[in-house]
Amino acid sequence: ETGVTQTPRHLVMGMTNKKSLKCEQHLGHNAMYWYKQSAKKPLELMFVYSLEERVENNSVPSRFSPECPNSSHLFLHLHTLQPEDSALYLCASSQDTGTGSGNTIYFGEGSWLTVV
Amino acid sequence: GQQVMQIPQYQHVQEGEDFTTYCNSSTTLSNIQWYKQRPGGHPVFLIQLVKSGEVKKQKRLTFQFGEAKKNSSLHITATQTTDVGTYFCAGPINFNKFYFGSGTKLNVKP
Repeated sequence: ETGVTQTPRHLVMGMTNKKSLKCEQHLGHNAMYWYKQSAKKPLELMFVYSLEERVENNSVPSRFSPECPNSSHLFLHLHTLQPEDSALYLCASSQDTGTGSGNTIYFGEGSWLTVV
Repeated sequence: GQQVMQIPQYQHVQEGEDFTTYCNSSTTLSNIQWYKQRPGGHPVFLIQLVKSGEVKKQKRLTFQFGEAKKNSSLHITATQTTDVGTYFCAGPINFNKFYFGSGTKLNVKP
């Protein structure tokens, strides 16, 4: 039990589908993140949100669209993905976006995405 | 650009042998964190080091932060099969995000 819950845990989608990944954190944190994990790039930061505002977008293709309706929920909307987008997508949260002492990152269990 | 490098990429050891993974940065880090990801799992925070030359221990795990705060190491004494997983270091690269190293995947043969 990490305090960060992701659904679905597994998702198979076609290249023309539209789907969404959902993340909810129960830790009272102000910052939320999406990471992509694959064999090529073990932990690649995609998006950072601080108090529902996007503060970082690491040159992610527009076929990935994040949404943060409040500080506890984060979505990743997926459309017209490519097979190379198949990976583990990890949601995470931390107290805030600072990198100072004590601000650790709590990861969810991840959503395994397969694009066919 | 500014990043954190981690070596080795893989390490296979016999149970009971020691294991060490190293993390290096081209710039001084204000702190460094270590995470462990079990096979099929998600990264879990292990520890954070803040002070120059700091050494912290968690049972058989010893974490060190270099004097110049540019490198760090994680040493496991007498590995067990429960130590299997990927170990990541993470260092701050600007004020609002951590950069994760590429990880060291540890396999322990019983």
